[in-house]
Amino acid sequence: ETGVTQTPRHLVMGMTNKKSLKCEQHLGHNAMYWYKQSAKKPLELMFVYSLEERVENNSVPSRFSPECPNSSHLFLHLHTLQPEDSALYLCASSPGGQSYNEQFFGPGTRLTVL
Amino acid sequence: GQNIDQPTEMTATEGAIVQINCTYQTSGFNGLFWYQQHAGEAPTFLSYNVLDGLEEKGRFSSFLSRSKGYSYLLLKELQMKDSASYLCAVRDRNTDKLIFGTGTRLQVFP
Repeated sequence: ETGVTQTPRHLVMGMTNKKSLKCEQHLGHNAMYWYKQSAKKPLELMFVYSLEERVENNSVPSRFSPECPNSSHLFLHLHTLQPEDSALYLCASSPGGQSYNEQFFGPGTRLTVL
Repeated sequence: GQNIDQPTEMTATEGAIVQINCTYQTSGFNGLFWYQQHAGEAPTFLSYNVLDGLEEKGRFSSFLSRSKGYSYLLLKELQMKDSASYLCAVRDRNTDKLIFGTGTRLQVFP
């Protein structure tokens, strides 16, 4: 069983909806990440949190808003998304503070924006 | 700039050997990872190379040549369950970020 869980596994939303993706890690790690995986494209890093502080924001549109209330939980709040935002959103965690070691991935949330 | 290239798709036969290549260009190299991702599942860690040479782990081996910007993942005694995407990722020394390739989708046939 994976140490990183994500809910929901599938989400369909309209462009005017507000929804949130949740990630939880049970590995005692200090760093957590959000990635976007689109068909035929590389994994794209969106956000990095280390010790609950955001250390990286890869020029992601403001319609994506991350939240990290503690080292075990990470959220991605979604608001007025576009159809091109449809993708698999993966959460990952790694040990250490700002040292990006081996990353452990969750199963992802398959998002469809209508 | 940073760039990672790997073939989009490969096919192989059960019991055979397959080699998946990855070439990269990066301003600062600090390790290369291979991940396996089955359809609809999380990527799982396979191997890590930071020094030149071959790392063997059971049926899977990974090779790195830093001077050539080249790595390969070797899968022996292929099984049907090895059908998956294989992601090559390079850690940038300056930012510590992982830069991923598009992945190679491997199909194993009986």
